[in-house]
Amino acid sequence: AQSVTQLDSQVPVFEEAPVELRCNYSSSVSVYLFWYVQYPNQGLQLLLKYLSGSTLVKGINGFEAEFNKSQTSFHLRKPSVHISDTAEYFCAVSGGFGNEKLTFGTGTRLTIIP
Amino acid sequence: DSGVTQTPKHLITATGQRVTLRCSPRSGDLSVYWYQQSLDQGLQFLIQYYNGEERAKGNILERFSAQQFPDLHSELNLSSLELGDSALYFCASSGGQGPYGYTFGSGTRLTVV
Repeated sequence: AQSVTQLDSQVPVFEEAPVELRCNYSSSVSVYLFWYVQYPNQGLQLLLKYLSGSTLVKGINGFEAEFNKSQTSFHLRKPSVHISDTAEYFCAVSGGFGNEKLTFGTGTRLTIIP
Repeated sequence: DSGVTQTPKHLITATGQRVTLRCSPRSGDLSVYWYQQSLDQGLQFLIQYYNGEERAKGNILERFSAQQFPDLHSELNLSSLELGDSALYFCASSGGQGPYGYTFGSGTRLTVV
């Protein structure tokens, strides 16, 4: 079984400050990790994904995440946030071939303070 | 536009009724997934179809059913609706087999009154 824990339900950050959104996962098999963003009244958009290889993954809109197998974490970071980054962010895990369903965390609401 | 089309965008219906939600996947994608997003349950996987066949089942109620047609579009049927079924229903599609992440549609917001 797989599970994802997003440790912070809400994160307020001042504009142009750095941010880290935390995600821990649990899985008994190989994992594939994802971050999605949901803007108000919209669907989910893929920010980045870790499938294999380099543990530092770069995504869209200046976001990056680091896969840490020993700590079972996949934290999302951005060095300088903008007002337009205000959204809900979801971490998700997939089990791989034959088990492609995504198991999502409960989400982190990122609020940018001007 | 993600390329995944869901209709209708909004649906208001009464308890006990039946509704059908429709999803057209991105061109060339063979897999379709349905998810439910609600305030108390979060994002829950319902069901996956791959090239017309059911591939995986999640927390889908017996009152709910789905199918994928030969043209690869999918429909999610919700019957005997209850107030608790009010949620955002997302469809997503992916190119085939493999954990490469999906493309989500913009969702159908169902309100049961």
